[in-house]
Amino acid sequence: GESVGLHLPTLSVQEGDNSIINCAYSNSASDYFIWYKQESGKGPQFIIDIRSNMDKRQGQRVTVLLNKTVKHLSLQIAATQPGDSAVYFCAENSYSNYQLIWGAGTKLIIKP
Amino acid sequence: DADVTQTPRNRITKTGKRIMLECSQTKGHDRMYWYRQDPGLGLRLIYYSFDVKDINKGEISDGYSVSRQAQAKFSLSLESAIPNQTALYFCATSERARTSGRARQFFGPGTRLTVL
Repeated sequence: GESVGLHLPTLSVQEGDNSIINCAYSNSASDYFIWYKQESGKGPQFIIDIRSNMDKRQGQRVTVLLNKTVKHLSLQIAATQPGDSAVYFCAENSYSNYQLIWGAGTKLIIKP
Repeated sequence: DADVTQTPRNRITKTGKRIMLECSQTKGHDRMYWYRQDPGLGLRLIYYSFDVKDINKGEISDGYSVSRQAQAKFSLSLESAIPNQTALYFCATSERARTSGRARQFFGPGTRLTVL
């Protein structure tokens, strides 16, 4: 069935290094993808989104890459900081479906 | 996001009790959503509302009901709570978009519900 999944449930990164969080999706009809950040005790917060007519989009310290050929999405965080510690979710949507389909999440741990 | 508030923040109840979770927003958004989050799983959509008179079932609506009392208020009810409804519940809002999934969603802080 349709699903969005993550390769790594937990990712540990040294402070200052770059982080890469991966996401696989299986619905080839999906044409819109979003990354959310969820800090402990809080609701998810929007980070960045990308449409399927793009393969890269940059924000402040974050970049999302989309590879439609292999149905893969990644979130890159530059110069990871302690405040980046959180669970990161990817979600996908297709034009025919009003609902977002969420992945299980990746926990990002920052090592001092 | 402080513009989306949820009450209560924590609730412990017993099997068979009726529970209502409330959500209010000051963002002026038309669309509101209720999600459930379980450990190790992403968010799953329970119900969503495009406006006061438009309420739709999500992926896991069984055992839940909702009421959209006003543009700013969307409540979720568990008519007869059961232990497997123990979870973290989130309310979210979004602006109107050509396709609703395209609109960025803003989440409340969540309600942790435990059903004994």
